[in-house]
Amino acid sequence: DVKVTQSSRYLVKRTGEKVFLECVQDMDHENMFWYRQDPGLGLRLIYFSYDVKMKEKGDIPEGYSVSREKKERFSLILESASTNQTSMYLCASSFEHTQQPQHFGDGTRLSIL
Amino acid sequence: AQTVTQSQPEMSVQEAETVTLSCTYDTSESNYYLFWYKQPPSRQMILVIRQEAYKQQNATENRFSVNFQKAAKSFSLKISDSQLGDTAMYFCAFMKSFNAGNMLTFGGGTRLMVKP
Repeated sequence: DVKVTQSSRYLVKRTGEKVFLECVQDMDHENMFWYRQDPGLGLRLIYFSYDVKMKEKGDIPEGYSVSREKKERFSLILESASTNQTSMYLCASSFEHTQQPQHFGDGTRLSIL
Repeated sequence: AQTVTQSQPEMSVQEAETVTLSCTYDTSESNYYLFWYKQPPSRQMILVIRQEAYKQQNATENRFSVNFQKAAKSFSLKISDSQLGDTAMYFCAFMKSFNAGNMLTFGGGTRLMVKP
């Protein structure tokens, strides 16, 4: 079974802090994704990566950056956390071939105080 | 850009009954894929069913089936013989063919409660 592991289930940080969310997958997937999930808005793509050191902006990249130094790991960075970044963050991964389903982690519920 | 709309924020159904979740989408693409994902209270999102737009036959996975109406841009999910374990958020999602990274566009979700 595919395993996508997010480093924290719950995280509480303060405004202005630099926050790192980590995601690791064990299936040698080329693609990795970061979403945020908010009630009524579904999942919105923040960034994705289709290869090591490659990244592409999603629909809502403002206030976020990402890093992919190794194929299995994709990090989401909040450079200076703000209260409007309080949300559920989901990581996903997939093979590169078209229509391959994405496999999701358990999510990190991030609260910015 | 694609948009996906789920018009039912919440639904409930009695155990063993049938329920249908609605999804509509807007696209100018002719080739694409549609998905239903389920997110139980434990939160891990899992794929329920997938439909290729070029296939006229509706996809079926055990108790889950879809009604895909390409001209109407509609993709509803039918759950037969509902079980308590079907209680979850359900998300409809769209994927263009041949797009870098296999990006998905999600609807806002429908919260389904199966009552005993």
